[in-house]
Amino acid sequence: KNQVEQSPQSLIILEGKNCTLQCNYTVSPFSNLRWYKQDTGRGPVSLTIMTFSENTKSNGRYTATLDADTKQSSLHITASQLSDSASYICVVTAYGGSQGNLIFGKGTKLSVKP
Amino acid sequence: SAVISQKPSRDICQRGTSLTIQCQVDSQVTMMFWYRQQPGQSLTLIATANQGSEATYESGFVIDKFPISRPNLTFSTLTVSNMSPEDSSIYLCSVEGTGTNYEAFFGQGTRLTVV
Repeated sequence: KNQVEQSPQSLIILEGKNCTLQCNYTVSPFSNLRWYKQDTGRGPVSLTIMTFSENTKSNGRYTATLDADTKQSSLHITASQLSDSASYICVVTAYGGSQGNLIFGKGTKLSVKP
Repeated sequence: SAVISQKPSRDICQRGTSLTIQCQVDSQVTMMFWYRQQPGQSLTLIATANQGSEATYESGFVIDKFPISRPNLTFSTLTVSNMSPEDSSIYLCSVEGTGTNYEAFFGQGTRLTVV
């Protein structure tokens, strides 16, 4: 069964600190892996998309890694800001690509405190 | 990228009534997607809406409960019919980008509370 598991479920950190969110998946065949940020009351916004051949991708203070062999991904946030408080959703696309094949994780809720 | 306007942003409805959610995209798209996001749960695809044809529903979702219209290439509506408290959720519309990675763009969502 295709699944995406994220950990931790929630996380509280102090402003300025770094953190790493984890995503494990059992999706096959694999097309790509995405990380989304979802602010409260808003729709998800894409942070990164990685295909099978990519093992790291950055978007500002966000760096995603992908290990396709172990089927694991991480999202590292550097020098956190209060505006980073949001849910971060890992999404894996099964081969074929279109939204009918998106497998969503439940998300990690990050709270950044001053 | 695509800019998606979704309304209403939130509503509180009485059980047994229906609510229609509108989704407007700033460009023409072939497919539009409707999702449900229940508290603490992942996004679940309800249906895919193509212009000029009936929507395709995922397992567990039926047209009588979630009728969808797609009158043109930039607009779609989702109706939540005969609502019960179990329908309280966030509903999101989405479209795909034109790149090879099928990047998904989402509206801001409609937070529905049924009382």
